[in-house]
Amino acid sequence: DIVMTQSPDSLAVSLGERATINCKSSQSVLYSSNNKNYLAWYQQKPGQPPKLLIYWASTRESGVPDRFSGSGSGTDFTLTISSLQAEDVAVYYCQQYYSTPLFTFGPGTKVDIK
Amino acid sequence: EVQLVESGGGLVQPGGSLRLSCAASGFTVSSNYMSWVRQAPGKGLEWVSVIYSGGSTYYADSVKGRFTISRDNSKNTLYLQMNSLRAEDTAVYYCARVARAFGHAFDIWGQGTMVTVSS
Repeated sequence: DIVMTQSPDSLAVSLGERATINCKSSQSVLYSSNNKNYLAWYQQKPGQPPKLLIYWASTRESGVPDRFSGSGSGTDFTLTISSLQAEDVAVYYCQQYYSTPLFTFGPGTKVDIK
Repeated sequence: EVQLVESGGGLVQPGGSLRLSCAASGFTVSSNYMSWVRQAPGKGLEWVSVIYSGGSTYYADSVKGRFTISRDNSKNTLYLQMNSLRAEDTAVYYCARVARAFGHAFDIWGQGTMVTVSS
């Protein structure tokens, strides 16, 4: 099974500052036949379901602000919020879908305002 | 509008059964891969099960043999039959659409239904 880890567990960032969340998979999620990383990022605000932010590791879902960006390949990935807004307070999860139909989420990273 | 609405959660005793429903609108359940994901109180997300458009089903090891995913095409509804429930099955259960166009990211989520297993 592919195990996902995230760091840090939580972070507090000042409004307008950059927030960076790391995600690591226990094995590569890069599919060689199409050169795509089978990794997604989700945002979950308190009392709400998760919301898809990014898929293929770096493609923003429609309607997601461009301050959110994803990067990385293979086993190491990063979600960056370039200028933190109050509405970005949430828990962020990475998920691999390389081993479909067995999906795995990371443990989550909580983002707060400093 | 594309949306998913779960129902059927509640309080059940250990060893009991419960069936969750997920009604879809704005798209056809049978043409998509559909999944269940759960979240224990204060915890992270755990994938539970998926049903492919062709009918194949898959389960997490933690629920295999106890839970059954199915759909009713005429009602455009997804189900999760949960048997032999345990305290550790206590969670909010979300249904989600698996977006094959995005690999297999989950692009549409319901609001969730709470299942509490307790005596």
